[in-house]
This record gives sequence, C-alpha cells and structure tokens, in this order.
Amino acid sequence: EDQVTQSPEALRLQEGESSSLNCSYTVSGLRGLFWYRQDPGKGPEFLFTLYSAGEEKEKERLKATLTKKESFLHITAPKPEDSATYLCAVQAGANSKLTFGKGITLSVRP
Amino acid sequence: DAGVIQSPRHEVTEMGQEVTLRCKPISGHNSLFWYRQTMMRGLELLIYFNNNVPIDDSGMPEDRFSAKMPNASFSTLKIQPSEPRDSAVYFCASSLSEDQPQHFGDGTRLSIL
Repeated sequence: EDQVTQSPEALRLQEGESSSLNCSYTVSGLRGLFWYRQDPGKGPEFLFTLYSAGEEKEKERLKATLTKKESFLHITAPKPEDSATYLCAVQAGANSKLTFGKGITLSVRP
Repeated sequence: DAGVIQSPRHEVTEMGQEVTLRCKPISGHNSLFWYRQTMMRGLELLIYFNNNVPIDDSGMPEDRFSAKMPNASFSTLKIQPSEPRDSAVYFCASSLSEDQPQHFGDGTRLSIL
C-alpha cells in the first residue's frame, strides 16, 4: 500500500526565515509526486509535479526537489501570504489515484 | 477560465436523508475524481472516472455511496441514507488525462446531524 508521510505537522516561521517541508513516501512504481497548497475553506491548488529523482521545480519563493525516498518543498524568504497547508501526494503503479499525506500547516508571522 | 464547480458549498441535513453533491469539471478534462477530507484521515479518493466511465471505486465506503457521470460536464455523488460519520468536506477534481495534475473545486462541506 502506498504511504505518504509529511513532517513537521505544523511550522511557524518569521517572515524572511527560510525553511523546508518534508514528504517521505513508500510506493511501488512512482509515476509522479505532486505538491499542492490549500487555503482554509478552499480546495487544494496545484503547485508542482516531479517525476524522477534529481528533478527540481521552482515557482517564486518555492522550490520542490525529489529523491528516491522523499521530496522537499523549500521556502525561501517566506511572506505572510505563504501561510497555508501544503499537501504532498503520489501517483504510483497502474492506478491514477493520488495518495495524499496529512499536510503541513505553515504560518508565517510578519 | 472557469475552474471545477461544486454545489452546494454547504449542506446540513438530518441522519437518514438522501444527499446529492454535484460537480462540473473543467471543460475538456477527461478524468474526474471525488475525494473526501477529514481531520482524522486527510484527503482520500472515493472514486474516479475516465471518459465518463468509473475506473476505481475501491475508496467508496459502502453501498450507501454511489457516483455517476452521465456526461463529460457533470457528475454526482449520492449518499443514501446519510449518517453522522459521513460529515466531511467532499472535493471534486478534474484533469486533462489520468496522468496530468488534478485541479480541485472548493468542496462541499457536509454536516449530518
């Protein structure tokens, strides 16, 4: 069974304080790893897809990386508007469903 | 461009009543997914369709849950009879194809009293 574990559960940062969010996964035949951002009362918003170890993607202050066992979402000089829950999900094997982690709630204080 | 549209946004009903949740996927998307989100279990897939055909319904909790996709622009998730443990946020998502990123609606918050 596919498993996705995200850590820490919650993270509080000062504005400008860079950090990383971790997503560890155990799957058979990874097809893609997805990062989403979810704001309160909203649906998850797609950020990145990573397909193979060594791949990196960037968008503004966010950079996602992938190894064979985990993915990191690096946040550089975060701003209060980056506060949200960040979800990691994997797609593996013959099935197209996404298996999600529980998410990391990020709070950035001004 | 219009995103995935779900209705209603909120639903409060009594135990035993029938509940119908609706979803309009993004135009041109061929895959549609229904998820349920709770604090305890996070986001879990219930069922997904490809080209209007159900592909995987292994996440549907029990026979009280059913989903249909009569055409490419509409899907329903029905619970009959509803129970308090069905209370959750239900999301619909769509994607261009099975391997493309899924785009989510803003969900239906369901409360069964």
